[in-house]
Amino acid sequence: ETGVTQTPRHLVMGMTNKKSLKCEQHLGHNAMYWYKQSAKKPLELMFVYNFKEQTENNSVPSRFSPECPNSSHLFLHLHTLQPEDSALYLCASSQDTGGLQYFGPGTRLTVL
Amino acid sequence: AQSVTQPDIHITVSEGASLELRCNYSYGATPYLFWYVQSPGQGLQLLLKYFSGDTLVQGIKGFEAEFKRSQSSFNLRKPSVHWSDAAEYFCAVGALYNAGNMLTFGGGTRLMVKP
Repeated sequence: ETGVTQTPRHLVMGMTNKKSLKCEQHLGHNAMYWYKQSAKKPLELMFVYNFKEQTENNSVPSRFSPECPNSSHLFLHLHTLQPEDSALYLCASSQDTGGLQYFGPGTRLTVL
Repeated sequence: AQSVTQPDIHITVSEGASLELRCNYSYGATPYLFWYVQSPGQGLQLLLKYFSGDTLVQGIKGFEAEFKRSQSSFNLRKPSVHWSDAAEYFCAVGALYNAGNMLTFGGGTRLMVKP
C-alpha cells in the first residue's frame, strides 16, 4: 500500500530534542489523522484534520504539535518528549471525516 | 461512548486449521464495523467492513465476518489459515459521515500460525 507514506520509519530522540514526523497521502482524501499505538494499549486517536482544519484533539499533551499545510500533508512536531511517548505513530487518511480510513506504515519512535 | 473488546490477546492455530477471532462492541446506534490487520512493522490494512445489509461480509485474503446484533459481535473467520496470516488483528467500530464520531479500536489479537 503506497497510498499513505510516513517518514521517517524509525526515530530515536532524546528528551530535549525537537523532531517532526511527516505523513503524505496520495489518495485525494480530505481528512487526515494521527494515532498513537503503544504496547498493550488500543490505538489512540490523537488528532483529526478535515480540509486542513483541526476538528479533533483528544486531550493530547502540548509537546505534540500537529500541522496540516494542505490536504495531502500532515506533520507531527515533537519537543521535550518523555520516555512514555515511545510508540508507533500511525497516520491515516479518509475521503472525509469519519470515512474509511487508510493507514500509513507508521513511525516507530523511541524516546531516550 | 462506544467501545470494542477483543477478548483474546493471543491465539495460536495450526496452518490449515480454521480461525475465529472474537470482537464485541458497545455502541448506541447502528454500528459500522471494521477489521484491520497489521503485519510486524507495518501499518493497518483494511480486511473488511460492515455498513448495512447482508450480515455476512466477505473481505480480502479469504476472510469473512458476521455481524450479530443480538450478541453485539462481529467475529472474524477464515476456513483455512496460511502461515502468512500471522499478524495482529484489530476490530473497530465507528460512525461514518458524523464528524463527532471516530473509529474506536479494540486492543487487538495477535495470531500465531504453527507449521
